[in-house]
Amino acid sequence: SQKIEQNSEALNIQEGKTATLTCNYTNYSPAYLQWYRQDPGRGPVFLLLIRENEKEKRKERLKVTFDTTLKQSLFHITASQPADSATYLCALEFGGFKTIFGAGTRLFVKA
Amino acid sequence: DAMVIQNPRYQVTQFGKPVTLSCSQTLNHNVMYWYQQKSSQAPKLLFHYYDKDFNNEADTPDNFQSRRPNTSFCFLDIRSPGLGDTAMYLCATSNEETQYFGPGTRLLVL
Repeated sequence: SQKIEQNSEALNIQEGKTATLTCNYTNYSPAYLQWYRQDPGRGPVFLLLIRENEKEKRKERLKVTFDTTLKQSLFHITASQPADSATYLCALEFGGFKTIFGAGTRLFVKA
Repeated sequence: DAMVIQNPRYQVTQFGKPVTLSCSQTLNHNVMYWYQQKSSQAPKLLFHYYDKDFNNEADTPDNFQSRRPNTSFCFLDIRSPGLGDTAMYLCATSNEETQYFGPGTRLLVL
């Protein structure tokens, strides 16, 4: 069965640095991959979507890469701020409205 | 603002006592989803609707049922909640790519 791996250990970084989060998957490559932010006790919020034929996508301080050979996506937050502290979920869409989420990586940005 | 609303935000129920969670949307999206999320785990898809077409995940327990009376509303019924059903229940809608989530209902089964 399809599996998604995100680093279960929290990532602690200093304000102003770049945070890099990893999403690895097994088996089939998805039609597209999405990153969501989730704050404690809240629903996930969509951040970025990248398709299988795209290598990189940017939005303001966020950048996502997608390597279907490595079966990996990297999510970068540049010039990180304490307000960026949250859990970041990777989600794979295989079509037919079938979405599989990772468990997320918790990011802490220290002032 | 267009949004996804879930009620109640918190629900406490007793073992075996049926409970219904509701979700409404003003986005007019065709697709609605229900997810279960336990602490520090990934959201797990229970089922989804495309319009009135219901799609159940193979590993969703029979204890979980859903209704979608119209485009705007969707309900999750848990017929006989067990202790293991304590979780956050998330409703989401989709424009066929991005999913828009509600704030979730935190369910505690005692």
